[in-house]
This record gives sequence, structure tokens and C-alpha cells, in this order.
Amino acid sequence: DADVTQTPRNRITKTGKRIMLECSQTKGHDRMYWYRQDPGLGLRLIYYSFDVKDINKGEISDGYSVSRQAQAKFSLSLESAIPNQTALYFCATSDQQGNYGYTFGSGTRLTVV
Amino acid sequence: GEDVEQSLFLSVREGDSSVINCTYTDSSSTYLYWYKQEPGAGLQLLTYIFSNMDMKQDQRLTVLLNKKDKHLSLRIADTQTGDSAIYFCAETSSASKIIFGSGTRLSIRP
Repeated sequence: DADVTQTPRNRITKTGKRIMLECSQTKGHDRMYWYRQDPGLGLRLIYYSFDVKDINKGEISDGYSVSRQAQAKFSLSLESAIPNQTALYFCATSDQQGNYGYTFGSGTRLTVV
Repeated sequence: GEDVEQSLFLSVREGDSSVINCTYTDSSSTYLYWYKQEPGAGLQLLTYIFSNMDMKQDQRLTVLLNKKDKHLSLRIADTQTGDSAIYFCAETSSASKIIFGSGTRLSIRP
């Protein structure tokens, strides 16, 4: 099994719909992250969590919310999806210091029509 | 603010060396990273270098760090078709997060 599992892998949704992207990890790490990837823009941080009771906004949190249900689970929600949220979304996890890099999931490709 | 910059595209001939360059802004970064993203996949950590090192070699990969110029490079020797991917440079930020560059797409010519 993958260390970081994201579901679904692909999703097409309509404008205005609420959608949740899920992430679970088996690394036993405290830190989890949600990134968005757009062509030519690299990865931009949406939200991050350093432990179950800690949630922080990243650089592009508007229009998104998160829930840290357990150490291993971190979900991302789009309350009312809009077309410019069409992107590839990645979940990642790291150890306490975060210095030895992140482990990424395989991504969720979201299309908002 | 913290920023990581890299060129968007690089094309090399199979068998040649590829050199991907990156500049960063946070002089307090303790670790710098290279990630590889193959089509349809997430990012995989290729290698990282601690800020007190100048060079790190791992088989076909050589990482060079110039702290004075805040310049990081990744050299891939004997580039193969399987090296086709997007390569991301990244640095640790002062807030204990990793900042990623926009990625360099490496394509291999026969």
C-alpha cells in the first residue's frame, strides 16, 4: 500500500457543488499538507496541519476548508466549487522537523465545469 | 518574501548530461531538495542537501550548492528517456515549511 493515499484520483464536478478530497497516510507522521498544482505555477500551499489540533492557512486558502480527523487523515473541501479551482491537488506528510522532505500522494485531478 | 525560481523547460540529447538550475531567496534554509514528478504521479524526493554542504553525489545525480549566490543545481549524467519528468527545486522556509519552485520540464531528444 502507498504511504499516502488520496481519493478520488479523478473527479469532475459542477460549479457550485461541494466536494471533499480525502487523504490518509501510514507514515505515522504528525504533519500533513494540501497543495495545488497548476501548469507553470508549481505547487502552492492551501492548508497545513502540524498535529491533530493544529490547522493553518497556506498562501491560497480562500474557497477551501480542511478537517484533520485523526493523525492519519486530512481532508480538503471545496464548499462551492468554481472553474478556476480546476487543478491537480496533492496531499503530503512529513516528520516533526519536516527537514527530510515530504512524502506525496499520487494526486487528485479535479475538474470543475 | 521566500521564493524559488527555476526555468520552465530543458531539452537534452539522450546520453548527454542535464543540468537543472535553481535560485532561492531564504538564506536561512537548512535543507534544499530536488523532487521528480513523472506523468500522472506525485512528487518523489530525489535527493536533498544540507546547507553546510557544497556538493552531494548519488550515482548519476550530482547536486551543487552555492550558498553565496543562493544557487542550487542538479546534474544528471548520461540522461536516459526515463529521466523525462518535471523536476522541482525546493527549500525549507523559516516557518518550517517547504517552498517549491515552479518546476523544470526535462525532455529527452533521441
